[in-house]
Amino acid sequence: SAVISQKPSRDICQRGTSLTIQCQVDSQVTMMFWYRQQPGQSLTLIATANQGSEATYESGFVIDKFPISRPNLTFSTLTVSNMSPEDSSIYLCSVEGHANYGYTFGSGTRLTVV
Amino acid sequence: QKEVEQNSGPLSVPEGAIASLNCTYSDRGSQSFFWYRQYSGKSPELIMFIYSNGDKEDGRFTAQLNKASQYVSLLIRDSQPSDSATYLCAVDSASKIIFGSGTRLSIRP
Repeated sequence: SAVISQKPSRDICQRGTSLTIQCQVDSQVTMMFWYRQQPGQSLTLIATANQGSEATYESGFVIDKFPISRPNLTFSTLTVSNMSPEDSSIYLCSVEGHANYGYTFGSGTRLTVV
Repeated sequence: QKEVEQNSGPLSVPEGAIASLNCTYSDRGSQSFFWYRQYSGKSPELIMFIYSNGDKEDGRFTAQLNKASQYVSLLIRDSQPSDSATYLCAVDSASKIIFGSGTRLSIRP
């Protein structure tokens, strides 16, 4: 399965600021996925990022708040904009495994907004 | 109705016993089903996937799928303390993976 390098691993940010999270994959992948996991809860899909096209956002998530870039087949970024304490969460990127062998996750970014 | 439902637990099982984790899903078109294990503070790790009705065994783990009943389960035999974690059921739906809320499993020595 693919190996994903995600950074930063954690950050504490002031409200009103923005944080950009990066994910680098060791192989080319068509789709990358961004999830949020709030404390004690399961994973919620934020958006799907395809190279060369606009990301597709799930209900409740908008591009202005969570802009995504996908400049090539091995890299993507998620920005959490104009942060509030409610954005405190773990953010995870994910890619589909070879031959639909499930999804592999990055190590996650633990974000705390103060 | 949630798309993927799991009992949140905690499920407490004695060491050496069989742990049984269950999941139901709502999308009859789903074709792929996954079980992830997540330790506290870590990202999810895929432990089993199943596509066909019936059982699939891998070591101490057995995944069971019943598409007619829209039901997926995971059995862990000879449970070990290291199996204590949250287990997430995941189902493909419209080209994306939807996760259940997870079942917290605790193996007591």
